[in-house]
Amino acid sequence: SQTIHQWPATLVQPVGSPLSLECTVEGTSNPNLYWYRQAAGRGLQLLFYSVGIGQISSEVPQNLSASRPQDRQFILSSKKLLLSDSGFYLCAWSVRDSNQPQHFGDGTRLSIL
Amino acid sequence: AQKITQTQPGMFVQEKEAVTLDCTYDTSDPSYGLFWYKQPSSGEMIFLIYQGSYDQQNATEGRYSLNFQKARKSANLVISASQLGDSAMYFCAMREGPSGGYQKVTFGTGTKLQVIP
Repeated sequence: SQTIHQWPATLVQPVGSPLSLECTVEGTSNPNLYWYRQAAGRGLQLLFYSVGIGQISSEVPQNLSASRPQDRQFILSSKKLLLSDSGFYLCAWSVRDSNQPQHFGDGTRLSIL
Repeated sequence: AQKITQTQPGMFVQEKEAVTLDCTYDTSDPSYGLFWYKQPSSGEMIFLIYQGSYDQQNATEGRYSLNFQKARKSANLVISASQLGDSAMYFCAMREGPSGGYQKVTFGTGTKLQVIP
């Protein structure tokens, strides 16, 4: 069966520090991968998606970036965090070329001080 | 305009009763999919049920059913026999266009359901 792992679960970072959140998927090949952010009490905002290695599309321009160095690995990064980057970050995957749902990791709670 | 609208920020239901969570959507694409997710306080997003725009019958998954009214563009989630563990945020979501290399999904703002013992 397929599983998705996301870490760390919780992160507290000072303003201006770098960020690296990692997500890996097991049990499937060539997945679509996604990064979402959820502000407190709000819905999900799509940040990035990827349909293949090295292929990244950004939905919202900001100081975050994403990379997909391997087929089942998706990384969210920032060189200098802002206070507004605080939130709950969720990674998700879906089967390519299908109407199957997206499946989510457990999320990372990021607090910027 | 909002693509997914969930008009109920919060709902209460008595344990063992049924509850309907509302969702309306807006799209001009003839091919789309509708999803419901559950988000407990721990944060993970749990897929519940899916309805395709060409599906003739309403989707059902255990105690969850989707009341799909295409002409009214609504896709309400019905939870039967509510349990205390059903207390969570519920999100309606829509995928537009045929399934392809990229599956963009738009989420609603969610409904917080609280089950009362």
